[in-house]
This record gives sequence, C-alpha cells and structure tokens, in this order.
Amino acid sequence: KAGVTQTPRYLIKTRGQQVTLSCSPISGHRSVSWYQQTPGQGLQFLFEYFSETQRNKGNFPGRFSGRQFSNSRSEMNVSTLELGDSALYLCASGLVSGQGYYGYTFGSGTRLTVV
Amino acid sequence: KNEVEQSPQNLTAQEGEFITINCSYSVGISALHWLQQHPGGGIVSLFMLSSGKKKHGRLIATINIQEKHSSLHITASHPRDSAVYICAVRLGGQMEYGNKLVFGAGTILRVKS
Repeated sequence: KAGVTQTPRYLIKTRGQQVTLSCSPISGHRSVSWYQQTPGQGLQFLFEYFSETQRNKGNFPGRFSGRQFSNSRSEMNVSTLELGDSALYLCASGLVSGQGYYGYTFGSGTRLTVV
Repeated sequence: KNEVEQSPQNLTAQEGEFITINCSYSVGISALHWLQQHPGGGIVSLFMLSSGKKKHGRLIATINIQEKHSSLHITASHPRDSAVYICAVRLGGQMEYGNKLVFGAGTILRVKS
C-alpha cells in the first residue's frame, strides 16, 4: 500500500516568490494536515483539510493557504516568501470515522529553502 | 507555559538500558501521539493513545488521562533507537477540533553501543 507522497522533496526559492507543495494521502484517507518544522519553533500545525473543506487553521499569516481536491490530494501555497519560511513542510493523512482518527501517517516532507 | 511539555530534552543511554520519556499536557485532548524522527528523516507515528497502554515490539506507551501525563518506554535499547521522540496531542473532543495537533519540543535520544 503506497504511503503519503509529498512533492517535491527539495525546493529552493527566492524571497518574494511563491511556492506550491503537493501531498497525496494514502488511498481512502480523506483528512490531510500540514505542518511546518523549523529548528527554532519545532513542529507547528498549519491547517487540516477534510472532504475538500478546511476544518482547522493554525496561527500562520494569510500568505499560507491550502486546498484539497476531490481525490483528497492537497496542495499548500506560500506567497511572498520570506527567509523565515525556510523549513521542512510535512503533511499527514488520516482515516476518519465516527469514532475519530485512525491510520495517521506522515509523508517524508518537502524541504524548502528561501534565499 | 507550553501546552505540551516533554522531559528530558536530551537523553544518552547505554545499549540495553530501559528508557523512559515523559510528556505532560495542560489541555483537554482526544488523543496523544508518540512520533519518531531520525536525523534528516521523516516522521513515523509510533502510537496513538486515548487511554491505557499500547505495546509494539520493544516500545510501550502509556497514558493517564486524569493526570494528563504519558510515558514512552523503550526496553533493551539499541543504537538504532537513536532519534528524536516527539509527543503530540490532539485537542478537544473526538471531532470537535478536527485534527489539530500541538507538539512537544521533542526528546533527543542517543543510545551508545
């Protein structure tokens, strides 16, 4: 069974540019969450999508946005990149039932470097 | 004060030792995760707990909901266990807050042979 696929694995962008990262969840998983990991702040929640709707959002500026498609694949976009956006961006997919979340699986991440 | 506190921050052990990593939280949660991250690597979800105890191989995770505390134990530790172990809690009721995770700062574990 395929895992969570994040593309690209590595990315170098210039300040002021925008970037789009992609996450394909495990087949059947409808929840996709995004996280940012930096040495200074550790892991922080960005947002979660479920059935093409944003369910939750963390404390990040509006430059960070996302969406989910009907096949559950998700993208996140960061506009007007800043040096501080350099980080490992992780997504995780989960199977959701009436009792809660199951099969929570992380992707390998996209390492974004802003220069 | 952080909502999720882990201790210790750093831990060095000899191969074969029994290891305990602790996690305390101050908010209502629906579940708690223990995650493992190797240097330069992705994150692996080791356990998801909402009560009691779970065991997988040499790893054991326990949670005490009343005391808002969880522990991760590693028996017969091995150098390949060297990694960062992260505690994360899912806020609120089962579906109330969706899947928002709040993370501890992590425990850096080094097991020497």
